[in-house]
Amino acid sequence: DTEVTQTPKHLVMGMTNKKSLKCEQHMGHRAMYWYKQKAKKPPELMFVYSYEKLSINESVPSRFSPECPNSSLLNLHLHALQPEDSALYLCASSQEGRYGYTFGSGTRLTVV
Amino acid sequence: EDQVTQSPEALRLQEGESSSLNCSYTVSGLRGLFWYRQDPGKGPEFLFTLYSAGEEKEKERLKATLTKKESFLHITAPKPEDSATYLCAVILPIDKLIFGTGTRLQVFP
Repeated sequence: DTEVTQTPKHLVMGMTNKKSLKCEQHMGHRAMYWYKQKAKKPPELMFVYSYEKLSINESVPSRFSPECPNSSLLNLHLHALQPEDSALYLCASSQEGRYGYTFGSGTRLTVV
Repeated sequence: EDQVTQSPEALRLQEGESSSLNCSYTVSGLRGLFWYRQDPGKGPEFLFTLYSAGEEKEKERLKATLTKKESFLHITAPKPEDSATYLCAVILPIDKLIFGTGTRLQVFP
């Protein structure tokens, strides 16, 4: 299995809702990442987990809460989001960063 | 400040018309440079990794090269299916990947 699987593919949520994005990889990669991508912009790093521990938080608002339950799973919990948080959320994994990242297909999030 | 810039922002080519995309970087401690292809609404798809100046990689109609300050993605005789956004990204120490601004390529038959 050489894929990163993200669910759901599409999500519409209200500003008072709580939802979660899920990401799974079975390549034995030690690091997992969340990126946010707005339309016609490059992906922007949000969080990095290395060996299941949060190693980088790019000053992301607390309404985004990451969780890494085990080495294969990565969640992003969402609460009280704003319409400007609407974007494509990408998950990625790597064994050793300099050898390449594998990206999932993303979750298209719309906040209404 | 670490920075990655791509040019042009958008490129329209006739099928078969070869061209090059540029990725310029100013970073401290480059550990590698990646090229990705991204189709609308999809995640980036890995194309190449380059590690040192002078290195070149090829795959079908694409060839990537690296110097100390920039990388080029050469597209030879492109086809309409090559239409996509091409992203370069640099990997820094502490395992941080920073993307460039991207080049949107359209190839017309």
